[in-house]
Amino acid sequence: NAGVTQTPKFQVLKTGQSMTLQCAQDMNHEYMSWYRQDPGMGLRLIHYSVGAGITDQGEVPNGYNVSRSTTEDFPLRLLSAAPSQTSVYFCASSPPDGIYGYTFGSGTRLTVV
Amino acid sequence: GENVEQHPSTLSVQEGDSAVIKCTYSDSASNYFPWYKQELGKRPQLIIDIRSNVGEKKDQRIAVTLNKTAKHFSLHITETQPEDSAVYFCAAKIASSNTGKLIFGQGTTLQVKP
Repeated sequence: NAGVTQTPKFQVLKTGQSMTLQCAQDMNHEYMSWYRQDPGMGLRLIHYSVGAGITDQGEVPNGYNVSRSTTEDFPLRLLSAAPSQTSVYFCASSPPDGIYGYTFGSGTRLTVV
Repeated sequence: GENVEQHPSTLSVQEGDSAVIKCTYSDSASNYFPWYKQELGKRPQLIIDIRSNVGEKKDQRIAVTLNKTAKHFSLHITETQPEDSAVYFCAAKIASSNTGKLIFGQGTTLQVKP
């Protein structure tokens, strides 16, 4: 098993550009989430999903969209990048009953200039 | 909304001493409390967790305690070693909507001095 795979690992965007961060897991996990990590602010939940076709907002959803067309994939879209979205983004997944901790991907370091 | 507070934000100890990190949560329906360790430049890794029907759990040098009445839980690391130096995050699963939504504390940077 590859676990949770995120691409790309690094990305530089110009203000106003859009892009999609990819996340895929091969563990048949129903629950998937996107977090952003900023210094001194911990891991903040952006969006999450409990299964294919179901998504919901987390703590900081503004400026981001998600979709969950398959169990394996949970892409995060930045609609119009802003410098405030400079961060490290982590995708994570967990088994369906939700009583287990999440397994994290290796992260995407995004810089918006 | 749901909130998890973590203290202290930084902690420095001598090798061999104990370290304690504390977290409080706001939603009394939370029923699962994991702890993650994140080394510099790496992903968070689950190190121990506790469920709401258990008051304490140990795994070698680390232990977690839970006080549901007070809505707080703590991570205890004994006989600290330099390789314990990392950022530690607590988290709480908000069980009220059964969504698996995991909310994290702000993190504690632990430095173990040789």
